[in-house]
Amino acid sequence: KQEVTQIPAALSVPEGENLVLNCSFTDSAIYNLQWFRQDPGKGLTSLLLIQSSQREQTSGRLNASLDKSSGRSTLYIAASQPGDSATYLCAVPLSGTYKYIFGTGTRLKVLA
Amino acid sequence: NAGVTQTPKFRILKIGQSMTLQCAQDMNHNYMYWYRQDPGMGLKLIYYSVGAGITDKGEVPNGYNVSRSTTEDFPLRLELAAPSQTSVYFCASSYQGAYEQYFGPGTRLTVT
Repeated sequence: KQEVTQIPAALSVPEGENLVLNCSFTDSAIYNLQWFRQDPGKGLTSLLLIQSSQREQTSGRLNASLDKSSGRSTLYIAASQPGDSATYLCAVPLSGTYKYIFGTGTRLKVLA
Repeated sequence: NAGVTQTPKFRILKIGQSMTLQCAQDMNHNYMYWYRQDPGMGLKLIYYSVGAGITDKGEVPNGYNVSRSTTEDFPLRLELAAPSQTSVYFCASSYQGAYEQYFGPGTRLTVT
């Protein structure tokens, strides 16, 4: 059974800091891993998708890495801004399927 | 493109009532998903579909039914609503299972 854990559950940082969000999963036989952003009262927005054959993906100030052997992914946010304040969720599919299992998210607050 | 649309935005049901949550996408995506999100929790997959006429159960399918008669629409039916179904429901779609998911704005459902 696939279990997804995100640590920390909440994080508060001053503007300008670089930060790392963590995602761990128990079954490494995955097709891909996705990172999402969720603003309060809104739906999810896809940030980065890493295929199982990739080690990392980058989009602007965001960089996501994937280490399947250790069951870990990290989302690196450079030079954080107040607009980055949101909940960040990761999701991986059950082995051999595209049924996605989500972590409970990291709630990020960037202070101006 | 409107993307993924969901109706209604809010709904209050009495115990035992039934309703259908509507979901539509105009991106010609093959995969469509229904998730529920309880307060402070990640998303849990209810049902998903890989194309018109094909649906499959997710983690928490009990109390729900789906159908997919067209590529665009993926309604979720609640029969005999129970307080445990109070949640925010999100519909999502992707071109294929390995591609990024696009989410609708959600439907907030309260069963009393």
